[in-house]
Amino acid sequence: KQEVTQIPAALSVPEGENLVLNCSFTDSAIYNLQWFRQDPGKGLTSLLLIQSSQREQTSGRLNASLDKSSGRSTLYIAASQPGDSATYLCAVIGYSSWGKLQFGAGTQVVVTP
Amino acid sequence: DAEITQSPRHKITETGRQVTLACHQTWNHNNMFWYRQDLGHGLRLIHYSYGVQDTNKGEVSDGYSVSRSNTEDLPLTLESAASSQTSVYFCASSESLRRDGVDTQYFGPGTRLTVL
Repeated sequence: KQEVTQIPAALSVPEGENLVLNCSFTDSAIYNLQWFRQDPGKGLTSLLLIQSSQREQTSGRLNASLDKSSGRSTLYIAASQPGDSATYLCAVIGYSSWGKLQFGAGTQVVVTP
Repeated sequence: DAEITQSPRHKITETGRQVTLACHQTWNHNNMFWYRQDLGHGLRLIHYSYGVQDTNKGEVSDGYSVSRSNTEDLPLTLESAASSQTSVYFCASSESLRRDGVDTQYFGPGTRLTVL
């Protein structure tokens, strides 16, 4: 059974510092991995999707890497801003899950001015 | 603009009562999903549907049911609410049926349910 883990559960950094968020998964038979952002009282917003054949994806200040063989993904957020404060979740879609997302518990990020 | 809405946004009910949470999307998406989110567990899939009249059980389906009579709506029913079902519930939709799930899922704002 696939298990997705995000460590740490919470993180606080001063504004301007780079953020590094980790995601690990136990079964490497995945089609893709996605990173989502969740703001308090709101739904999830997709940030980046990395196909299993890709090593990384970039969007603005966000960069996500994927090492399928070791079961790890890292989300980098450059030059963090207070507006980056949110919970970040990763999710994978495995070969056997037929398009269904399997989520980690998330990392709650606070960026202090 | 297309969107996905959930109602109510907050609900307090008593143990044993039947509760229905509404989900409505205007994306005209085939796929719809219900998740619950609990502290330390992330989102877990309750039920999902790949089209009208199609429903499937997810990871944590006990005590829940869904029905899909049209493309836009997938209501979630708690047959007899239990305190263990206190949670935040999210509905999501995606466009097409692809095994690799590359189509983005769009999420509603969530319903916070408290069962006393």
